[in-house]
Amino acid sequence: KAGVTQTPRYLIKTRGQQVTLSCSPISGHRSVSWYQQTPGQGLQFLFEYFSETQRNKGNFPGRFSGRQFSNSRSEMNVSTLELGDSALYLCASSLGGTGFYEQYFGPGTRLTVT
Amino acid sequence: GESVGLHLPTLSVQEGDNSIINCAYSNSASDYFIWYKQESGKGPQFIIDIRSNMDKRQGQRVTVLLNKTVKHLSLQIAATQPGDSAVYFCAEIRGGSQGNLIFGKGTKLSVKP
Repeated sequence: KAGVTQTPRYLIKTRGQQVTLSCSPISGHRSVSWYQQTPGQGLQFLFEYFSETQRNKGNFPGRFSGRQFSNSRSEMNVSTLELGDSALYLCASSLGGTGFYEQYFGPGTRLTVT
Repeated sequence: GESVGLHLPTLSVQEGDNSIINCAYSNSASDYFIWYKQESGKGPQFIIDIRSNMDKRQGQRVTVLLNKTVKHLSLQIAATQPGDSAVYFCAEIRGGSQGNLIFGKGTKLSVKP
């Protein structure tokens, strides 16, 4: 079974631009969560989508948004990029539903904002 | 600030020794606790989890202990191997929001041959 894939793996953008990152979950998984990882703040939860609906949201500004498609693939968008948005963006998929289901992480997208 | 934290940022052990990685949490309402391992260039990998109504859970070479009285979580790795070198994170899930993991800062484990 293929794992979680994220594209692109590396990205360099300029302040003020916007960026879209993509995540393809494991087949059959309906939940996709996004996390931001930085050396200073560690791993922080952005949001979670389940069956095309945002189910949970972290404490990030509205510049960070996401969506999920009917095939469970998810995208996250960051508008008006700031230098502080430079980070590793990870997505994780799980079966979803109620209760706890193990989350499987992708390798991440390394975003550098200059 | 972080409510899930780690006592030590780095841990160095000799190959073959046992490793203990600690984690403190502050929210007694958390339902699940999970340990993740992250190797360089990779996403976090699930190691083991424990429900809040359990004290101990064992996996292959790993044991997680939960002490709710002092809000402390630990990961024990038996017979540590070079392949265990990585950053280890504890994470908690609160209030049934299973898609929202609250991560600690991480402990870097280095295994000396």
